[in-house]
Amino acid sequence: DTAVSQTPKYLVTQMGNDKSIKCEQNLGHDTMYWYKQDSKKFLKIMFSYNNKELIINETVPNRFSPKSPDKAHLNLHINSLELGDSAVYFCASRGDIDTQYFGPGTRLTVL
Amino acid sequence: QKEVEQDPGPLSVPEGAIVSLNCTYSNSAFQYFMWYRQYSRKGPELLMYTYSSGNKEDGRFTAQVDKSSKYISLFIRDSQPSDSATYLCAMKSSGTSYGKLTFGQGTILTVHP
Repeated sequence: DTAVSQTPKYLVTQMGNDKSIKCEQNLGHDTMYWYKQDSKKFLKIMFSYNNKELIINETVPNRFSPKSPDKAHLNLHINSLELGDSAVYFCASRGDIDTQYFGPGTRLTVL
Repeated sequence: QKEVEQDPGPLSVPEGAIVSLNCTYSNSAFQYFMWYRQYSRKGPELLMYTYSSGNKEDGRFTAQVDKSSKYISLFIRDSQPSDSATYLCAMKSSGTSYGKLTFGQGTILTVHP
């Protein structure tokens, strides 16, 4: 039974398009995150939500808009995609002792 | 200067070798230290967690923290091909709300038979 799931796993799209990535966790955690991992494996936090409320926003362009319809879901919508947005995006949720449980990632390629 | 610097590697070692992975940090507020392991095409998973200076052992893995030098290490004994992965150090300050972690850039490790 998957703890943190993301869809889609792969996303290939043209520059200028708008796309969404969905994330769901069945762990009952209150806090969820979005991370971006670049080609050099550097993992950087983008957003965090606690119980549907935005609590961390790390100077991410406003083309990126997270939405949390309930505490089990945190979706990421990206407008006007650019080449530099190509990366792997990970959703995570926070458990005990701040352990973070990561989803399998969504590999976004912008052409 | 990044808050957390990790030896980028890549690192290639023979099976059975002892592996040392290292991170330095500049933020004195970091009090909690973690190592995550990430297999290819997967999400990171927590390997070790520690909050005090000294060593913490778990099987073949030992996490070492030296707060005075702002330096952490992960040692892997008797390395196995199944240890081949990217290893990410991560840190958190005591005052951080909601568990915000700062990651190093990851070290790619390959253990060959």
